[in-house]
Amino acid sequence: GQNIDQPTEMTATEGAIVQINCTYQTSGFNGLFWYQQHAGEAPTFLSYNVLDGLEEKGRFSSFLSRSKGYSYLLLKELQMKDSASYLCAVITGRRALTFGSGTRLQVQP
Amino acid sequence: NAGVMQNPRHLVRRRGQEARLRCSPMKGHSHVYWYRQLPEEGLKFMVYLQKENIIDESGMPKERFSAEFPKEGPSILRIQQVVRGDSAAYFCASSAGGPLETQYFGPGTRLLVL
Repeated sequence: GQNIDQPTEMTATEGAIVQINCTYQTSGFNGLFWYQQHAGEAPTFLSYNVLDGLEEKGRFSSFLSRSKGYSYLLLKELQMKDSASYLCAVITGRRALTFGSGTRLQVQP
Repeated sequence: NAGVMQNPRHLVRRRGQEARLRCSPMKGHSHVYWYRQLPEEGLKFMVYLQKENIIDESGMPKERFSAEFPKEGPSILRIQQVVRGDSAAYFCASSAGGPLETQYFGPGTRLLVL
C-alpha cells in the first residue's frame, strides 16, 4: 500500500526558516512533488525531486533521500503570505499522484 | 496562456440529482487527472484520462461515478444520484506528458449536496 506522513500543523515566525518533513512508504517510486495550497484555492506546484539531493528555487528548497523514503521542504525568510497547507505527493508505479494529508503552516508576526 | 479551467466553481445539488463537473486542460496538455478533497482531508486520486481513453480509474468509486475526455471539448466528471457524502472539492489537473511531468491544478468545483 501507499503511506505518506506529514505533520498536521506547524507554526513559525515571520522572517524565520521552517522545515516541513515528509516520509513515505510506497510500492514503486518515480518522484516526489511539493504543492502549496491556500485555503479554498487550487494546489500550486512548488518543486519536483526525482534524484537524491537538494533542489533550490528562490526562498523554497526541497530535499529527497530515496533510500530513507524522506523529503523535506525548506522555506526561508518566511512571509505572512506563506501561511498555507503544504502537500507532499509521490508518483508511484500506479501512474498517479498519491498525496499526504498536508501540513498546515501558520506564520505569525 | 490560460491555466486549467473548471466549471462550475460551486455546484449545489439535492440528493438523487446528477452533478456534471467540467475541466478544460491547459493549452497543449492532453493528460487530465481528477482528484477529490473532502473537508480537512488530503487530495485523493480518482481517475487519469487521455483524449478518448481512461488510463487509470483505480480511485473511482465503483458506482455512480464516471469520467470522460472526448476528442473535442472538456473532460467531464459525472456523479449520478448524488448523496451527502459526495460533498467535496473536486480538482482537475493536467500535464503535457504523462504523470511523471508536473501536474497543474484548476481552481476546483465545490459540490454541496443538500
